[in-house]
Amino acid sequence: QKEVEQNSGPLSVPEGAIASLNCTYSDRGSQSFFWYRQYSGKSPELIMSIYSNGDKEDGRFAAQLNKASQYVSLLIRDSQPSDSATYLCAVRGYSTLTFGKGTMLLVSP
Amino acid sequence: KAGVTQTPRYLIKTRGQQVTLSCSPISGHRSVSWYQQTPGQGLQFLFEYFSETQRNKGNFPGRFSGRQFSNSRSEMNVSTLELGDSALYLCASSLMTAPNTEAFFGQGTRLTVV
Repeated sequence: QKEVEQNSGPLSVPEGAIASLNCTYSDRGSQSFFWYRQYSGKSPELIMSIYSNGDKEDGRFAAQLNKASQYVSLLIRDSQPSDSATYLCAVRGYSTLTFGKGTMLLVSP
Repeated sequence: KAGVTQTPRYLIKTRGQQVTLSCSPISGHRSVSWYQQTPGQGLQFLFEYFSETQRNKGNFPGRFSGRQFSNSRSEMNVSTLELGDSALYLCASSLMTAPNTEAFFGQGTRLTVV
């Protein structure tokens, strides 16, 4: 059973702070890793993909992957109230995309 | 470039009825996956299609079925609806089924069974 685990939150941070979201996965054969943002009542939106160990940055977002520890994280710098959403971690091996249940992030003004 | 289009956006059905949902992927994408999202269970995988062939199937009863057409459009069908089938049904479009392939979601169809 492939599992993707996330802390459900909510994670509360003040505006301008760094939000750190974490994800662990059970399948060592996993090859690609994704972060999606989902606003309440909306569909998930892809914000970051990472395929190899190390760091990847895209604007205010930064992902880090550690395959040895089976761990992937997402940092959101200079958090804004508009970042308040549920963040879903997704992992793919050679088959399907498996999602965690998401971490709710609340950014207070 | 048009995104993933799901129709209808909202549906209300009665227990015992059946329903068909439609998904048109991004132009050029040949893989379509379907997910069920409920507050308690999160996103659960239903099935994945590539070039009209079902490549993977999730752990759902046989009442849930799907198909993909030659133009990559996909439909999923749920027969003999139950109250527990009330959920947001999401379709994701990918270029292919390879590991390093990004998936993009449609707006979803919200199904309510009464």
